[in-house]
Amino acid sequence: QSALTQPASVSGSPGQSITISCTGTSSDVGDYYYVSWYQQHPGKAPKLMIYDVSNRPSGVSNRFSGSKSGNTAFLTISGLQAEDEADYYCSSYTFSSTLGVFGTGTKVTVL
Amino acid sequence: EVQLVESGGGLIQPGGSLRLSCAASGFTVSSNYMSWVRQAPGKGLEWVSVFYGGGSTYYADSVKGRFTISRDNSKNTVYLQMNSLRVEDTAVYFCARGLSLGASDYWGQGTLVTVSS
Repeated sequence: QSALTQPASVSGSPGQSITISCTGTSSDVGDYYYVSWYQQHPGKAPKLMIYDVSNRPSGVSNRFSGSKSGNTAFLTISGLQAEDEADYYCSSYTFSSTLGVFGTGTKVTVL
Repeated sequence: EVQLVESGGGLIQPGGSLRLSCAASGFTVSSNYMSWVRQAPGKGLEWVSVFYGGGSTYYADSVKGRFTISRDNSKNTVYLQMNSLRVEDTAVYFCARGLSLGASDYWGQGTLVTVSS
């Protein structure tokens, strides 16, 4: 199972909005509404930010939102803040492995 | 409060075995699916194994036949038995609680496994 494709890096100024893409295939992102997004700061465990394409777990800021179109999922961070600087990974359920497949990861830099 | 605490990592020679433990508190491991995810140094995340509530288990192709996930309900603990370890298994191993398919909402702090001669 190949990793989902994400841009290596995305940057923005404080207060701006940025969007991270996550491209898969019709066997994963395109076929299921089980896409999730994780934030990971250096040396820390991943933190779930979005699940089931667009749902936010309790405690996650509403500045984070998710969507999907065809084989591509998106994470949008609005009102960018310094603490949003981290690595972000998407993940999709895939029936072929019954596990999941992660994206390649995107480093978000706040300028 | 939900907590996951991994242990059992360390330095091991190629071909050796290790058993990782993930002690859970604040919920029962039998009522959620549990996963192991690993991250090689400087690399991305990789799903390693899943133990679904009904008892079915699944593995990444890279570890199939070498790793075994199990669960002890009396200890509220999930394990990952790793045999025939390879240099490429070197990684931080996280355990995580499943929320939805492909989504895990609580993660442990991770335990480092280093396979080297």
